[in-house]
Amino acid sequence: GAGVSQSPSNKVTEKGKDVELRCDPISGHTALYWYRQSLGQGLEFLIYFQGNSAPDKSGLPSDRFSAERTGGSVSTLTIQRTQQEDSAVYLCASSPGTANTGELFFGEGSRLTVL
Amino acid sequence: SQQGEEDPQALSIQEGENATMNCSYKTSINNLQWYRQNSGRGLVHLILIRSNEREKHSGRLRVTLDTSKKSSSLLITASRAADTASYFCARWRRDSSYKLIFGSGTRLLVRP
Repeated sequence: GAGVSQSPSNKVTEKGKDVELRCDPISGHTALYWYRQSLGQGLEFLIYFQGNSAPDKSGLPSDRFSAERTGGSVSTLTIQRTQQEDSAVYLCASSPGTANTGELFFGEGSRLTVL
Repeated sequence: SQQGEEDPQALSIQEGENATMNCSYKTSINNLQWYRQNSGRGLVHLILIRSNEREKHSGRLRVTLDTSKKSSSLLITASRAADTASYFCARWRRDSSYKLIFGSGTRLLVRP
């Protein structure tokens, strides 16, 4: 696609439910990143994919968080048994090359609200 | 903490004035980047400056980098109301890490 696409754009869920957030990166981009942004804060790194593998998942805050990427393209971030502190904007970004170089291209984010 | 240090946290100026935002970091870098985020939107890349560069221009943007002081600044000249946004610096860690580390951001308000 023309840009990084994320869905849903907004998600309201009840505490304890599972949620899935989807990211469709720019076609041909091999690197994919997930970040989390709490209200008025900076970006917190969650996980990085190169192709389908995740060399760096050190930012996932707990074992309730997981992510996968299939076909070197679409990625899904899953949060199990959501908590109120999971409320944030989840941003996905992609880049054409390997890590440590260049700029990231961001999607518009998925705003998660846990009641 | 993954957060760098940016100052000021918030800046309010009149249209036409210049806006300067500063960013400091602690580790060695390959390059440093600046991004812009409009309220409720994703981030957009503005400019990248490499570790062997001291100054770079793009339109009304001027970025400086002082690796000896581990600091960078972003200057927006002749600001416009449309420049109202949050601005973040970001840098790749110069080790095996794959993280692009973002600062905490500066919220800029340009009053018409």
